[in-house]
Amino acid sequence: GQNIDQPTEMTATEGAIVQINCTYQTSGFNGLFWYQQHAGEAPTFLSYNVLDGLEEKGRFSSFLSRSKGYSYLLLKELQMKDSASYLCAVRDGSGGYNKLIFGAGTRLAVHP
Amino acid sequence: DSGVTQTPKHLITATGQRVTLRCSPRSGDLSVYWYQQSLDQGLQFLIQYYNGEERAKGNILERFSAQQFPDLHSELNLSSLELGDSALYFCASSIGQGDGYTFGSGTRLTVV
Repeated sequence: GQNIDQPTEMTATEGAIVQINCTYQTSGFNGLFWYQQHAGEAPTFLSYNVLDGLEEKGRFSSFLSRSKGYSYLLLKELQMKDSASYLCAVRDGSGGYNKLIFGAGTRLAVHP
Repeated sequence: DSGVTQTPKHLITATGQRVTLRCSPRSGDLSVYWYQQSLDQGLQFLIQYYNGEERAKGNILERFSAQQFPDLHSELNLSSLELGDSALYFCASSIGQGDGYTFGSGTRLTVV
């Protein structure tokens, strides 16, 4: 089966840096995705890791350690518009077909 | 506009009724995925289709069914609706199986 854990809520200050952690257990790990979702809207793709290490994309970076079943999303120079839920999703290839399994999401509140 | 089209955007119906949600994937995408998101909950994987064939099933109730047509659009049928079925239903598409997903804007179903 699959198990994906991330904190339920976080708060941070505008201009600061925040790290959102995700731990996972899955039998058919085949990559890890991060999505951003504003309330009532569709999730939008942020980053993808399949190999260990850090992937940087502007103000957003994502890290993966496959041996530890661990990833984090780093958001720098926080802006008010970054207030949203951040979803960690594991691509699971068990059963012969890839599918994305999502964690419950971390609700981030950015305040002035 | 993500390129994934879902209709209708909102649906209000009574318990015991049946509804059909429609999804047109992004041009060129062969895979379609359906997810359910209840209030303040994570995305629950329901079912996946690839080029017209069912590929993977998640926690989809027996009252729910889906199909993907030759033109690649997909429909999710929900029957004998219960209050607890009220949720956002998202469709996502990808080129292959499990590549980065592009989500539609969702259908908000309210069962009264």
